[in-house]
Amino acid sequence: GDSVTQMEGPVTLSEEAFLTINCTYTATGYPSLFWYVQYPGEGLQLLLKATKADDKGSNKGFEATYRKETTSFHLEKGSVQVSDSAVYFCALFASLTGANSKLTFGKGITLSVRP
Amino acid sequence: SAVISQKPSRDICQRGTSLTIQCQVDSQVTMMFWYRQQPGQSLTLIATANQGSEATYESGFVIDKFPISRPNLTFSTLTVSNLSPEDSSIYLCSAGTGEDEQYFGPGTRLTVT
Repeated sequence: GDSVTQMEGPVTLSEEAFLTINCTYTATGYPSLFWYVQYPGEGLQLLLKATKADDKGSNKGFEATYRKETTSFHLEKGSVQVSDSAVYFCALFASLTGANSKLTFGKGITLSVRP
Repeated sequence: SAVISQKPSRDICQRGTSLTIQCQVDSQVTMMFWYRQQPGQSLTLIATANQGSEATYESGFVIDKFPISRPNLTFSTLTVSNLSPEDSSIYLCSAGTGEDEQYFGPGTRLTVT
C-alpha cells in the first residue's frame, strides 16, 4: 500500500539556520504530495503541495520539489524563525477507484527553533 | 478553501460513556473525513463520512465503536462509544473539495479517565 517515510526527529535549530526535512514515499500511480504544519495546540494547516513530477510547491519561505526519480519531497527553508517551531507532516494523496480520496501521512517531525 | 469548526474542543469523559464530536464546514464539500491522532503520533484515518449513506471505515475501525453521521454537505458527527483510556486522543475532522486538498478542523482533545 501507499506509505510516507519521514526522517526521525526531533530537530532543533538556531534562528536563521537552513532547514531540510526529508520525506520519501511509496505509491502506485502518480500521487499528489503535501506538507502540512501543526502549530502547538492547533489543527493541521496545508503548507504547500505539488501535483506532478518536477513541480515545486512553496509558501512562507518553505519549498519542496516533487522528485519522481527518487520518490522524494524534501522540505527546505533557507532561514528558519522561532515562529516556525511546529510539527511537520509529509503526506500523499492517492485517488482510489470510485473517486474516494485518501491522504496518507508520515509520522511527523517536531522542529524547535532557538532564538 | 474551507473553514472547519469542531465542538467540543476538549473533554474529559469517564470510561464506559460516549462522546459525540461535531464538525461544521463553512461551505458545501464533497468529502469529509475523521482522523485520530494519538499522543506524539501521526494521523490515522478512521473513516470517510458519506452524505446520505453509511460511512466507509478503515481497517481496524468499526461502526459500533465509531458511529458517524453526515446528514448534509456541511456537517458530520463522530461518536466514540464505550470509552476506554486507550481512546484518549485528538480527533480531527477534515473536508475535501473534490480535488486533492483537505482542510482540517482544530481537533477535539479527548481524555478518558
